[in-house]
Amino acid sequence: DAKTTQPPSMDCAEGRAANLPCNHSTISGNEYVYWYRQIHSQGPQYIIHGLKNNETNEMASLIITEDRKSSTLILPHATLRDTAVYYCIAEGGGTSYGKLTFGQGTILTVHP
Amino acid sequence: DGGITQSPKYLFRKEGQNVTLSCEQNLNHDAMYWYRQDPGQGLRLIYYSQIVNDFQKGDIAEGYSVSREKKESFPLTVTSAQKNPTAFYLCASSWGGLPSYNEQFFGPGTRLTVL
Repeated sequence: DAKTTQPPSMDCAEGRAANLPCNHSTISGNEYVYWYRQIHSQGPQYIIHGLKNNETNEMASLIITEDRKSSTLILPHATLRDTAVYYCIAEGGGTSYGKLTFGQGTILTVHP
Repeated sequence: DGGITQSPKYLFRKEGQNVTLSCEQNLNHDAMYWYRQDPGQGLRLIYYSQIVNDFQKGDIAEGYSVSREKKESFPLTVTSAQKNPTAFYLCASSWGGLPSYNEQFFGPGTRLTVL
């Protein structure tokens, strides 16, 4: 499974875009990039995932570089409720499918 | 409503006692998972099951046991062999199969404190 590296914390002003980076330089060709978030004392919530192409849903956009060694999660208009720990996970190939390896993530604080 | 339920939300046990944490899902998912989370840390996989009557050890299975007799249920037993059982335990489920369809849905968690 590919290891991911994320900054430990980030700040964002309410209403602005939050851009959360993730490095996964050892990702293999069949591994997906997943993003989850965890609000304090709750279970994690799925946000988005992708393989090669950029993806967008109602929550966020995922930008994956052409070499797939890094990605950025974009919350287009952050609100106070987006304050959470955001986990970037690279997973999915071979016998490890179905398993998610959570690192320590990025603590995103959205302030007024 | 479809979802995953875990009970109880808070659980206290004396050292040396086994305790079983409940996890039920009505999403018709094939795969289910148990994670442990310690303060300030990410989640670590304890056990997972991709189909009924089958389960696999995760990264930290020692001191834990599971069963998967029904599709909707995946109980976790924390045994007295687990040296540091106090933690936040999270259950999840997914369709399983191809990674492209592997969004995991999490329950609200059980916070276990061993006194």
